[in-house]
Amino acid sequence: DAGVTQSPTHLIKTRGQQVTLRCSPKSGHDTVSWYQQALGQGPQFIFQYYEEEERQRGNFPDRFSGHQFPNYSSELNVNALLLGDSALYLCASSPRRGKGGFPYEQYFGPGTRLTVT
Amino acid sequence: AQKVTQAQTEISVVEKEDVTLDCVYETRDTTYYLFWYKQPPSGELVFLIRRNSFDEQNEISGRYSWNFQKSTSSFNFTITASQVVDSAVYFCALSEARLGTYKYIFGTGTRLKVLA
Repeated sequence: DAGVTQSPTHLIKTRGQQVTLRCSPKSGHDTVSWYQQALGQGPQFIFQYYEEEERQRGNFPDRFSGHQFPNYSSELNVNALLLGDSALYLCASSPRRGKGGFPYEQYFGPGTRLTVT
Repeated sequence: AQKVTQAQTEISVVEKEDVTLDCVYETRDTTYYLFWYKQPPSGELVFLIRRNSFDEQNEISGRYSWNFQKSTSSFNFTITASQVVDSAVYFCALSEARLGTYKYIFGTGTRLKVLA
């Protein structure tokens, strides 16, 4: 049973460019969340998708956008890259709700290391 | 506002010592969920435990144990007889329900170094 997979593993971009990161959730999971983890910091919530719609968003500018496909996989797009966007981008998946409506724990992928120069 | 504080930035212990990682959280909700994750050098966050706000029972899993105290808004994690393989960054996280979704709010993490 494959876990959460992300691609690419590493990416180097120049300021002003655009980037797309990809995530495939764990089998059986329909909810995907994206997090940004700067060096030495905890992950920061970007947004969450289920049923192909953005359901909740963290404090990130509109330069960050996403998409979820019918097979539950997801993309994170970042436009007009800034040096400060350099970070590890983590994708997490979970079933939308656990038994009794409680949230399942999220399972994280290995991340995509984005470097903006 | 929701917030998770992990005041210990880095802890070093010698193998076989016990170590406790502190987590203090802030929330206005009466229903919330707390988690601990481990992040080894490979970078992938590994789930360790989930605790619901209405269940204050402490839990033990092998060498790991968790102490949840609502009165002090703390959810501390203890590793007994630490091993070198326990070396990692440990994150405490808080989750609240908003419009049916559950985003995580992470602390800044505690780096644990277990020396042989």
